[in-house]
Amino acid sequence: KQEVTQIPAALSVPEGENLVLNCSFTDSAIYNLQWFRQDPGKGLTSLLLIQSSQREQTSGRLNASLDKSSGRSTLYIAASQPGDSATYLCAVTVKGVSGYSTLTFGKGTMLLVSP
Amino acid sequence: DTGVSQDPRHKITKRGQNVTFRCDPISEHNRLYWYRQTLGQGPEFLTYFQNEAQLEKSRLLSDRFSAERPKGSFSTLEIQRTEQGDSAMYLCASSLRTGDLYEQYFGPGTRLTVT
Repeated sequence: KQEVTQIPAALSVPEGENLVLNCSFTDSAIYNLQWFRQDPGKGLTSLLLIQSSQREQTSGRLNASLDKSSGRSTLYIAASQPGDSATYLCAVTVKGVSGYSTLTFGKGTMLLVSP
Repeated sequence: DTGVSQDPRHKITKRGQNVTFRCDPISEHNRLYWYRQTLGQGPEFLTYFQNEAQLEKSRLLSDRFSAERPKGSFSTLEIQRTEQGDSAMYLCASSLRTGDLYEQYFGPGTRLTVT
């Protein structure tokens, strides 16, 4: 059974710092990996999707890497801002028991960026 | 707005009552998913539709839960005889397969509180 772990569970940094969020998964047979952002009490916003054949994706100040063989991904946030404060979720797309794709999520990293 | 929408956004009900939630996916997306998220946890997969066919159900989906997607458009999730343990955020997502891409787009969620 696929398990996704995110470290750290919570992170507090001053504005302007660069930071790294970590995600690991137990089964390397994934289709892709997505990073999401979730604000308190809200739904999920997709940040980056990395296909299993790719090594990284970039969007603005965000960069996500994927090492499928070792079961690891990192999300790098450059020059953090208070508006980045949210919970960041990592999820992998796997085949369910019927052969169709579903997402398996980690518990998330709660990020607080202070001014 | 062409995103995924969910209704209602919040629902408070007494234990033992039945509740029904609605999800409207992005119009051209043929895949629709339901997830449940409890406090401090990542979302957990409940069920998946491709067009109107329900192709996968998690063991989390007890007999009190039923989901439908008539005509392959909107979907409903019904919980019968609600229990306090059903209190959670219920998230809907939709996707359209593009090659090997399985990017899911999430709605804002329905927060259920069972008193």
